[in-house]
Amino acid sequence: AQKVTQAQTEISVVEKEDVTLDCVYETRDTTYYLFWYKQPPSGELVFLIRRNSFDEQNEISGRYSWNFQKSTSSFNFTITASQVVDSAVYFCALSEASNTGNQFYFGTGTSLTVIP
Amino acid sequence: KAGVTQTPRYLIKTRGQQVTLSCSPISGHRSVSWYQQTPGQGLQFLFEYFSETQRNKGNFPGRFSGRQFSNSRSEMNVSTLELGDSALYLCASSLSEGFNYGYTFGSGTRLTVV
Repeated sequence: AQKVTQAQTEISVVEKEDVTLDCVYETRDTTYYLFWYKQPPSGELVFLIRRNSFDEQNEISGRYSWNFQKSTSSFNFTITASQVVDSAVYFCALSEASNTGNQFYFGTGTSLTVIP
Repeated sequence: KAGVTQTPRYLIKTRGQQVTLSCSPISGHRSVSWYQQTPGQGLQFLFEYFSETQRNKGNFPGRFSGRQFSNSRSEMNVSTLELGDSALYLCASSLSEGFNYGYTFGSGTRLTVV
């Protein structure tokens, strides 16, 4: 079963629209970390945010905001007033400890296209 | 400061050959992890090294191996290449081991097996 599900494969929005990327995760651990990464066409993964399981406060960083809800096992990412430079593939990821050490799982990614 | 450097950027190999990829982490970072990205399987964790020791390993066959040197630079080796090994291989470095720290990724090595 997928540990991290990003149901939206592709999203297109017009510039200046708001867009929310969904992420649903599955874990039995009480301590875990969630991440969002951006992968522009150049291929390099850019770290956006890390959240631990004990901190459910929403976070805002400029036009980016994250909504972490343990009750629904979701960690959604919203871009406000989208720009063409936001076009990229966005990955949600989960890290949890297992009996073989820490494990790291990525979702399948959401490809965002912002149309000028 | 310099980011994570991966060499080479592109590589073409023949099925059955072996390949070695290199990753130089950010100065001061002691943990290096490797990932494989393919259109079909997405991003998958290969392994993580810290202080020259493999700490964690993903679900990949033994043909995939790696090592880390005393200067934290890491190499990944794939033996007996298969067509399905064609992928973007990403390396990431972090200050310490475990995924609870932020990771900085390199631009990757795109391996094509023909």
